[in-house]
Amino acid sequence: QVQLQESGPGLVKPSETLSLTCTISDGSINSYYWNWIRQPPGKGLEWIGYIHYTGKTDYNPSLKSRVTISLDNPENQFSLKLRSVTAADTAVYFCARLKWSAIGGKKNWYFDLWGRGTLVPVSS
Amino acid sequence: EIVLTQSPGTLSLSPGERASLSCRASQNLTSSYLAWYQQKPGQAPRVLIYGATRRATGIPDRFSGSASGTDFTLTISRLEPEDFAVYYCQQFSGSPPLTFGGGTKVEFK
Repeated sequence: QVQLQESGPGLVKPSETLSLTCTISDGSINSYYWNWIRQPPGKGLEWIGYIHYTGKTDYNPSLKSRVTISLDNPENQFSLKLRSVTAADTAVYFCARLKWSAIGGKKNWYFDLWGRGTLVPVSS
Repeated sequence: EIVLTQSPGTLSLSPGERASLSCRASQNLTSSYLAWYQQKPGQAPRVLIYGATRRATGIPDRFSGSASGTDFTLTISRLEPEDFAVYYCQQFSGSPPLTFGGGTKVEFK
């Protein structure tokens, strides 16, 4: 059964770069869109961006200037870098797989697989 | 960017009751592009409904989704104790940004 697992430093200082990796176990990185989503404590979900297995990326416009998502195909991993962090970037960060099902000629998009999430506090 | 507004923020109900959760899109949204998730404390979200009306694999039939124009509804016909959680709607048409609603918490009355 395919599983996702986030990993990275447990604490990041303000103005530094937050770096996380998502490892895909018992499955292939080929096909699908691989996403990062975050959730500040006690708040809702925010989509950060995705990378397609071909390397195509798209990002949330609100974060685009600070975000890079990259792929490491041989290692079956993809990564997130968020630069110049502040306390407002404190959140649980999830990696997730976005898939689509074609029904009636239209693509139905949804996240079918999630990691457990990792809390990343931003603090000095 | 399509903004999704969920209401109410909190729904206080008892087991066995019916829950109706609303998600309104800021502009026309093809129903194919709307999904619903359930999130329990300390867990990742789990997909319940995609394409506005289609139950994901393994989801009980007490969960159903409907769509009318820019209004989408998740209905839980009879609440079970394990259904008390936060629910999010999400839209994606293939063109970013992908967005989530702010969530509705279903709590014990």
